[in-house]
Amino acid sequence: EVQLVESGGDLVQPGRSLRLSCTASGFTFGDSGMTWVRQAPGKGLEWVAFIRSKIYGATTEYAASVKGRFTISRDDSKSIAYLQMNSLETEDTAVYYCTRTVYSGSYYYFDSWGQGTLVTVSS
Amino acid sequence: DIQMTQSPSSLSASVGDRVTITCRASQDISNYLAWFQQKPGEAPKSLIHGASSLQSGVPSKFIGSGSGTEFTLTISSLQPEDSATYYCQQHKNYPRTFGQGTMVEIK
Repeated sequence: EVQLVESGGDLVQPGRSLRLSCTASGFTFGDSGMTWVRQAPGKGLEWVAFIRSKIYGATTEYAASVKGRFTISRDDSKSIAYLQMNSLETEDTAVYYCTRTVYSGSYYYFDSWGQGTLVTVSS
Repeated sequence: DIQMTQSPSSLSASVGDRVTITCRASQDISNYLAWFQQKPGEAPKSLIHGASSLQSGVPSKFIGSGSGTEFTLTISSLQPEDSATYYCQQHKNYPRTFGQGTMVEIK
């Protein structure tokens, strides 16, 4: 069974940094892309960042709202995807979800989701 | 960026009703469209990708269709457990973008 468990969410002050982790099990982590999606309180879903598997170069994509501040990475030996968040802003307050992102042969799509971890940015 | 617009924003229907949600893309996305279900306090769940391909384990009462710029998600016979917010998302271009959501309630 695919399991994704996010951790690292916390209350932080604006301008500070935080690193989220997504620990995966139940599948071959190294074969999958991984995506972070966030949801501000009472709002809809917002795509944040994506990392391809190493066979596709582990290349990354970012939303404009986080580019230059957030970095997605992966450690295939530990089956963990990370989201390093720097220069946090109050607008980054949200539940952050990781998703397994599967390549169908012609496109990537979200498969399984974690339960989410809450990041609150406030002074 | 590709804008995704869902309609209606919310709907109320009876058990057994056939319910349809529409999602429109601001440009042609072929069949690169996914649907998600989110119940209150829970993580989203993937329902459909590629406009009509059902995710493993998702009941066949969820039917996705469409291509180009207009797509629909149909729930063939609404049940109490289908009460949730449904989101569409284009998976053609980066950044991936979601619709604003459609809240489905049971009368």
